[in-house]
Amino acid sequence: QKEVEQNSGPLSVPEGAIASLNCTYSDRGSQSFFWYRQYSGKSPELIMSIYSNGDKEDGRFTAQLNKASQYVSLLIRDSQPSDSATYLCAVNRNTGGFKTIFGAGTRLFVKA
Amino acid sequence: NAGVTQTPKFQVLKTGQSMTLQCAQDMNHNSMYWYRQDPGMGLRLIYYSASEGTTDKGEVPNGYNVSRLNKREFSLRLESAAPSQTSVYFCASYRGDTYNSPLHFGNGTRLTVT
Repeated sequence: QKEVEQNSGPLSVPEGAIASLNCTYSDRGSQSFFWYRQYSGKSPELIMSIYSNGDKEDGRFTAQLNKASQYVSLLIRDSQPSDSATYLCAVNRNTGGFKTIFGAGTRLFVKA
Repeated sequence: NAGVTQTPKFQVLKTGQSMTLQCAQDMNHNSMYWYRQDPGMGLRLIYYSASEGTTDKGEVPNGYNVSRLNKREFSLRLESAAPSQTSVYFCASYRGDTYNSPLHFGNGTRLTVT
């Protein structure tokens, strides 16, 4: 079992729809959680971070965290073609040394 | 403010050649990381340095060595390159004093080993 799991996709949604991206993690000692967006040929860029159970909203993005279920999600409302990218879920933990572990990423396509 | 700078951007090596990937950050961050990214594999941690003077192995350290030269610089060395090391390499830095800080990435080095 991978430490951080994501559905690789591709996930295809029409423009204006809600895109829902999911991530599970195995280490209960994980402290904080991040979503990075990566366009093809570019480096990852942070779009959301979440540390406590519940929802966190920032513009069209909402991150959701459920530590009991070891589950993190990202909702993108009013999806735009410019949201088409790979979304990487990342987890900070301090087991065996502090490190950030990434999932394999979910490719999202938003169709105009 | 340059952030995290990686050199070179592209490199082609023959099997058995050696090279060093350079990384420098100007954000006074304590921790630095090297990841590799292969299609469908996400980012896999090669080595990291929690602070100046310390380095630790990540998930895929075999075939690599690192040096934390000072607080700013963290280099990754391939002593004898193999085709399996064809990948995109990302350096990242992190403040290191709180779990709630994200990573800051360089622009990546695309390495091809023939």
